[in-house]
Amino acid sequence: EAGVAQSPRYKIIEKRQSVAFWCNPISGHATLYWYQQILGQGPKLLIQFQNNGVVDDSQLPKDRFSAERLKGVDSTLKIQPAKLEDSAVYLCASSWDSDRGQYFGPGTRLTVL
Amino acid sequence: AQSVTQLGSHVSVSEGALVLLRCNYSSSVPPYLFWYVQYPNQGLQLLLKYTSAATLVKGINGFEAEFKKSETSFHLTKPSAHMSDAAEYFCAVSKLISSASKIIFGSGTRLSIRP
Repeated sequence: EAGVAQSPRYKIIEKRQSVAFWCNPISGHATLYWYQQILGQGPKLLIQFQNNGVVDDSQLPKDRFSAERLKGVDSTLKIQPAKLEDSAVYLCASSWDSDRGQYFGPGTRLTVL
Repeated sequence: AQSVTQLGSHVSVSEGALVLLRCNYSSSVPPYLFWYVQYPNQGLQLLLKYTSAATLVKGINGFEAEFKKSETSFHLTKPSAHMSDAAEYFCAVSKLISSASKIIFGSGTRLSIRP
């Protein structure tokens, strides 16, 4: 079974630039999550999708972050414009339902200069 | 509200020694609890989960955790540490929001293994 795929693995941009991350979840997983993990901290949920609908985006900075999950499969997370404090690893995860645990992708390490 | 607290941001043990990573939870209802491991430059991997069946849960790589309701704890243990166990470990609890569950992570414990 293929795991959660993410791209790119690394990205370096200057502040005020835009960036987008892509995630392909495990086939059949209805729930998809985007997390932000700042160095030395646990993952913080940014947004959770159930199929193509948003379940929770309470911690998503909506003035600069956006995410979509068209057709309930792949998802993209965008930051526009980026700030220095957005430097982090962005993790995508998917699950049948979170009570069974989530499966994580390798993450995208973003550095904002 | 559900949350987890991991005691000790860094634990160091000798190879072959007992590993004990502490996690306490707060929950108004019986929770689902998880331990995840994160190796450098990788995503998180599920080690084990408690879903209200047996209180002693066995996971991968020789790890196990015991759910103790009276102590609101879910500590992770391994009898004999191996060098390959060096990683970051996260305790997590499942929280129900609007009929869908989400997972709240602790701040993590970095495990170092001394030769």
